[in-house]
Amino acid sequence: GAVVSQHPSWVICKSGTSVKIECRSLDFQATTMFWYRQFPKQSLMLMATSNEGSKATYEQGVEKDKFLINHASLTLSTLTVTSAHPEDSSFYICSVKGGSGSYWETQYFGPGTRLLVL
Amino acid sequence: KNQVEQSPQSLIILEGKNCTLQCNYTVSPFSNLRWYKQDTGRGPVSLTIMTFSENTKSNGRYTATLDADTKQSSLHITASQLSDSASYICVVSVGTGGFKTIFGAGTRLFVKA
Repeated sequence: GAVVSQHPSWVICKSGTSVKIECRSLDFQATTMFWYRQFPKQSLMLMATSNEGSKATYEQGVEKDKFLINHASLTLSTLTVTSAHPEDSSFYICSVKGGSGSYWETQYFGPGTRLLVL
Repeated sequence: KNQVEQSPQSLIILEGKNCTLQCNYTVSPFSNLRWYKQDTGRGPVSLTIMTFSENTKSNGRYTATLDADTKQSSLHITASQLSDSASYICVVSVGTGGFKTIFGAGTRLFVKA
């Protein structure tokens, strides 16, 4: 299956600072990437769908100016949490979907990034 | 409304025992159903994927079933191991392209020695 990496794996920051999380598809070109947020003991919640070379599509209730997504290449998408606050503390997970073959059917997830805002 | 409901919410079993997790969905049009295993603090890992025409699919000690008529799926774990302790998430894809996915809340499984 596809290999997806995220960096950093965890980050602690002060309230008001911005944090960038990287998601990389290591072994195939991902035309579409997804960003999820997961709070403790809850399931994944889709934040936005990122398409290479175009603007991301945000889910209802997700502030696009707060969660900036850039999908500049077929192997890299970034999520920037701007002016982070304690309520943004969560587990952020990206996933990828390819355009052909077995990758089309299965969504591959990154290992996640745990963000703690103090 | 597209929904995926899983039961039980949590489950504790002894090592070596079998267990079955349930997933009921109200999704239309149905594209496919996947089971994922998520270890604490990690991203989900795919276990099985089934389309409309598939009734059962196995992956080692994991066996998933799908009844498209009743819109129910189950994940059966045989001879559980301590490493099976995790959350198991049922995910249903909607539409002809399967782009939209609906996540269940997951079942947290604890395997005790």
